[in-house]
Amino acid sequence: AQSVSQHNHHVILSEAASLELGCNYSYGGTVNLFWYVQYPGQHLQLLLKYFSGDPLVKGIKGFEAEFIKSKFSFNLRKPSVQWSDTAEYFCAVNAQGTYKYIFGTGTRLKVLA
Amino acid sequence: NAGVTQTPKFQVLKTGQSMTLQCAQDMNHEYMSWYRQDPGMGLRLIHYSVGAGITDQGEVPNGYNVSRSTTEDFPLRLLSAAPSQTSVYFCASSYSAARGYNGYTFGSGTRLTVV
Repeated sequence: AQSVSQHNHHVILSEAASLELGCNYSYGGTVNLFWYVQYPGQHLQLLLKYFSGDPLVKGIKGFEAEFIKSKFSFNLRKPSVQWSDTAEYFCAVNAQGTYKYIFGTGTRLKVLA
Repeated sequence: NAGVTQTPKFQVLKTGQSMTLQCAQDMNHEYMSWYRQDPGMGLRLIHYSVGAGITDQGEVPNGYNVSRSTTEDFPLRLLSAAPSQTSVYFCASSYSAARGYNGYTFGSGTRLTVV
């Protein structure tokens, strides 16, 4: 069965610090990978996605993620966080051809001004 | 504005009551799904649909029914509400692979409390 692990449940950073959030998945076939952000009280918004091609993908608001197939990982990065990045971040995976997301449990990021 | 519209935004039910959460999208998406979000558990798939007239169960379907009579609408029915169904519910939609699947667009959610 597919599963997604986000090992960092809570992260606290100061503004301008660098961010890396881990995401590992368990599935033997080809997958599509996503990162979503949920600001307090709001719905999920797509940050970035990987379907194929260049394993380094760039998304909105300066976020990027790298797909490392050998490690089954899709870590989210941002070189310099801002207070407005305070939110919950979810990694999601779907096996190609199924279109059913499996979500990680989320990482709550708090950025101190 | 194009997107996924969920109603109501908030609802309080008594145990045993039934209700329908509404979801509508105006993007002509084939795929629609319902998720519930609980603290520390991420989002879990309840039911999904790959087109009008076609639905299937997700991870946590018990206590919920769905139907998809039109492309636009995908209501979620709680047959007899239980406190364990207290959660935030999100509806999502997307294109099929044939029309350029690009990930799901989510609605703004319905916060349901069952007392």
